[in-house]
Amino acid sequence: RKEVEQDPGPFNVPEGATVAFNCTYSNSASQSFFWYRQDCRKEPKLLMSVYSSGNEDGRFTAQLNRASQYISLLIRDSKLSDSATYLCVFTGRGGATNKLIFGTGTLLAVQP
Amino acid sequence: ETGVTQSPTHLIKTRGQQVTLRCSSQSGHNTVSWYQQALGQGPQFIFQYYREEENGRGNFPPRFSGLQFPNYSSELNVNALELDDSALYLCASSPGQENEKLFFGSGTQLSVL
Repeated sequence: RKEVEQDPGPFNVPEGATVAFNCTYSNSASQSFFWYRQDCRKEPKLLMSVYSSGNEDGRFTAQLNRASQYISLLIRDSKLSDSATYLCVFTGRGGATNKLIFGTGTLLAVQP
Repeated sequence: ETGVTQSPTHLIKTRGQQVTLRCSSQSGHNTVSWYQQALGQGPQFIFQYYREEENGRGNFPPRFSGLQFPNYSSELNVNALELDDSALYLCASSPGQENEKLFFGSGTQLSVL
C-alpha cells in the first residue's frame, strides 16, 4: 500500500459549489497532518493544519479520521481563485523532526 | 513572499554532469529541507539540515548531497546526473523543527538532457 493516496482529479466545479477531497495514509503512527495548496509552477504553501477534532478556516474545513486513516478537506462556496492543486501532507513517527510526506495532489478547477 | 530564495530558477544539464543548487533561508530560520518534485507528483523529501548537520534523509542515493552554512543557507549537489533527475527542486526553511512553519522557495527547475 502506498504511504499516501489522493484522487488526482481533476475536479471541475462551478463557482459557488462545495467540493471535498479525501486522502488516505498508511502509517498509523503519523502525528501531524496538513493540507498544502500549490498553484501551477509555484511552490506549495500551507493551507491549514488538520486537528483530531476537525477545524475550520473560513470556507475551508479539515477533518481527520484516525480509525480509517484518512484526512479530508471541504471547500464551500468555491471561488475561481481556489483553482489549484491540493496536497495532503503528514509526518511520520516522531512528528516534527524530519520529513513531510506529500500526496500526489488533487487538481481543482473552478469554472465561472 | 516567504523570504526563501533559490537559485538558479532554471537549469539545463546533460546526463553525467554535476549540479549545485542554492537556497537562502528566511531570516531567523535554522532548518532547511530539500524536496524533489517530478512532474505530476508530490514533493519527495531528500534531506534536512539543522544547524549545519544533516538531520534526516529520504530515499535518495548518495550522489545527492548537501551542505548548510553558518548563515543557514544551503546547497544541494547532485553528481552523475540521470534523466530521471529532471524535476523541480524545492527548498524549505523553518525556525527549528516545526513542520507547520515550513516556508518553501519557488524552486529550481532542472532539466537533464
